[in-house]
Formats: sequence, structure tokens, C-alpha cells
Amino acid sequence: AQSVTQLDSQVPVFEEAPVELRCNYSSSVSVYLFWYVQYPNQGLQLLLKYLSGSTLVKGINGFEAEFNKSQTSFHLRKPSVHISDTAEYFCAVSSTNAGKSTFGDGTTLTVKP
Amino acid sequence: GAGVSQTPSNKVTEKGKYVELRCDPISGHTALYWYRQSLGQGPEFLIYFQGTGAADDSGLPNDRFFAVRPEGSVSTLKIQRTERGDSAVYLCASSLKATYEQYFGPGTRLTVT
Repeated sequence: AQSVTQLDSQVPVFEEAPVELRCNYSSSVSVYLFWYVQYPNQGLQLLLKYLSGSTLVKGINGFEAEFNKSQTSFHLRKPSVHISDTAEYFCAVSSTNAGKSTFGDGTTLTVKP
Repeated sequence: GAGVSQTPSNKVTEKGKYVELRCDPISGHTALYWYRQSLGQGPEFLIYFQGTGAADDSGLPNDRFFAVRPEGSVSTLKIQRTERGDSAVYLCASSLKATYEQYFGPGTRLTVT
């Protein structure tokens, strides 16, 4: 069985400040890791993914995440946020030999002017 | 090209009624997934198809829920004897192959009154 814990349900931050959204996972098998963004009244959009190789993964919109196997974490970071980054962010994990993904409960990022 | 589409976008039904939710995946994607997202939570896996067959239906909550994908493309999620607790957004996703990146549709918001 797999599980995902997003440590912060809400993260308020001022525009142009850096942000980190934290994600920890639990799994007994090898995993792939994902971050998705959901803007209001829209579907889920993939931000970035870790499949293998370099533990630092760069995604769209200036986001990046680092896979830390020893700490079973996959935290999402952005050095300078914009108002338009206000959205719900979901961390997800899937095993390398199965298709389904297990999602965290999400972190609401609110960027204030 | 066209993304994943889901119809209807909204469905209101009375308790006890039968509903069908449709998903049109991206052309050529062999894997198709159904998830359910309740308010304030992340998507919860229901079932996934590889081609026409259900490869994993472990997330279906009970036997009132059933899904088909008869020709390996369009899928229908069927819910019998709906209950108020079935109210949620039902998400569909597809991927080129299982374990590959999933592309999500906009969802169907089901409200059971």
C-alpha cells in the first residue's frame, strides 16, 4: 500500500517570495512521483514528475522538486511566486509496475500582492 | 490535439437513481483511469483499464459502481442506486501506457439530492 502526506493544507505567501510545498510518501516498492496543479474550476495539470535519474526535477512555470529517497520526500519549490500561481497543488505517487496513482489531500497556495 | 473530455460536466440526480458518466480519452492512449475527488481531498483511485479490460478495480467502493470500456477507447462509469455520499467530482485520466504520465479531464460534478 502507498500513502502521501502533504504537510501543509494552506500556504499563504507574498508575491515574489520563495515557496516550498512539502510532500512525504510511504511505499514498500519503487515509485514514480508527481506534482499536479489545479486552478479554480479547472482539471489537474501535471507540473513535474520524477521517474528516475537526477533527483532534482524541473517542471513548468518555474517549479522544481527534489526527490529524497532516504527521507521519502518530494518537496516542491519555486524561488519567486506570482499571483497567477494561486491554486491547489497535489502530490502523487505510483508504483513503477502499476498505473494507479495515490494522491495527497492537497495544499492551497495563496499568493498575496 | 484534443485532451480528455468528460460528459456531462454536471449531473444532479435524486437518491436511488442510476447515472452514467462518460470519458473520452486522448486518441491512442491505451490506459484509462477513474478517480473520485470529494471536497477538500485529493483524487481517490477507483479503477483503471488497460485496453478493454479492467486491470485494477480495487478502488471501487462497492458493487453499486461499475465501469466499462468495450472498445478500448471511451469508458462509462455507472452508478446504481445513488446515495448522497456519492456526491463528488469524478475524474477521468488517460495515458499512453500504464505507468506513463496521466492526462486528466475536467471532471463530472455529481450531486445526489
